[in-house]
Amino acid sequence: AQSVSQHNHHVILSEAASLELGCNYSYGGTVNLFWYVQYPGQHLQLLLKYFSGDPLVKGIKGFEAEFIKSKFSFNLRKPSVQWSDTAEYFCAVTLTDSWGKLQFGAGTQVVVTP
Amino acid sequence: ETGVTQTPRHLVMGMTNKKSLKCEQHLGHNAMYWYKQSAKKPLELMFVYSLEERVENNSVPSRFSPECPNSSHLFLHLHTLQPEDSALYLCASSQDLGRPQGRHYGYTFGSGTRLTVV
Repeated sequence: AQSVSQHNHHVILSEAASLELGCNYSYGGTVNLFWYVQYPGQHLQLLLKYFSGDPLVKGIKGFEAEFIKSKFSFNLRKPSVQWSDTAEYFCAVTLTDSWGKLQFGAGTQVVVTP
Repeated sequence: ETGVTQTPRHLVMGMTNKKSLKCEQHLGHNAMYWYKQSAKKPLELMFVYSLEERVENNSVPSRFSPECPNSSHLFLHLHTLQPEDSALYLCASSQDLGRPQGRHYGYTFGSGTRLTVV
């Protein structure tokens, strides 16, 4: 079955540490890829998206993600996190030849300690 | 505010009640969605509407009944729910379904309705 997998359910790290969240998908066709963030008590917000072209995508708040087609991966990174990055992060995928529905991963809860 | 407004923010209902969730978007989008967000589980797509026509019903029980009277409004009517239906219900909208160009620009989400069934 088609799915989106996020490797970690919980990540705890200190401020200024580097963050990398893994995301793998199992679709065989062309995909659009997204990372969303949900800060405590807030709505889901788009961090970044990939359609085509340069596989390294830069998003808001210093986040970036790299699409590696051969590995079916779209990992999210940030070189130096801040306390305000504490949130839940969701990877999502949609097929370009299908309905515009997003398939989400289960999410990764990130806690950044001062 | 995101441009997608959901009301109410919180709802507690008994299993025999009937209630409705409302979603309104002011973004000029043509597609709207209902998702269910439960703890420790991926967001579950429930319904997809494009230009007021339902294009997806993702095996959702009939105790959930969607309604899309126009492209700006989406409702989720609830009746005889079960305690396991307690969750955060999210509404989202998008410009379109991403076809035929094959490019989807992602969703704009509302803040959700936290539903508790007692």
